[in-house]
Amino acid sequence: SQQGEEDPQALSIQEGENATMNCSYKTSINNLQWYRQNSGRGLVHLILIRSNEREKHSGRLRVTLDTSKKSSSLLITASRAADTASYFCATDALGGGTSYGKLTFGQGTILTVHP
Amino acid sequence: GAGVSQTPSNKVTEKGKYVELRCDPISGHTALYWYRQSLGQGPEFLIYFQGTGAADDSGLPNDRFFAVRPEGSVSTLKIQRTERGDSAVYLCASSSKRISTDTQYFGPGTRLTVL
Repeated sequence: SQQGEEDPQALSIQEGENATMNCSYKTSINNLQWYRQNSGRGLVHLILIRSNEREKHSGRLRVTLDTSKKSSSLLITASRAADTASYFCATDALGGGTSYGKLTFGQGTILTVHP
Repeated sequence: GAGVSQTPSNKVTEKGKYVELRCDPISGHTALYWYRQSLGQGPEFLIYFQGTGAADDSGLPNDRFFAVRPEGSVSTLKIQRTERGDSAVYLCASSSKRISTDTQYFGPGTRLTVL
């Protein structure tokens, strides 16, 4: 079963614009991760944010985490046509104070960046 | 500097047949995961190995599915009496539990089609 719900399901923007994707989840987490997937195959890890962090940056990516609302957002700034892909959030559930490493993925957001 | 590799990349089989899917993790990674991704969905967890043992097999859908990792490196996912509903992309991931990043590195997947 999918824990995360992602919003929007699809996003279409012009090159240079910012893209924001949101993710909500249900259980307590150890960390939340964002992945990118091209053409329905290999997942590429983008960024990980731990439950005690509120914001994290990596290049053009900015991730926020609100554990009280059980939600996260991924912002891609100055988008490029090459950013066109599906983006998934994944949660690593908290159990007994340790990470299981078992990821629960959302259904993803399909991002299309038009040149 | 190889990443996670999976073979075959595509497998077409007939209903009722037996299939084996192979995963070669990154050298030295002790944790290995199998996920299944249906069209338009996020990946769903199947099984997690820590070393040679299956630490969590709660995601295996039924007893037709089995996975092994006899030497703590390569893993094989085995599906007996395949059904059309087994058609999906099967993804393998590995991670090193010796460092705290909890990042999973995914292979390109095996696309299984059951006719």
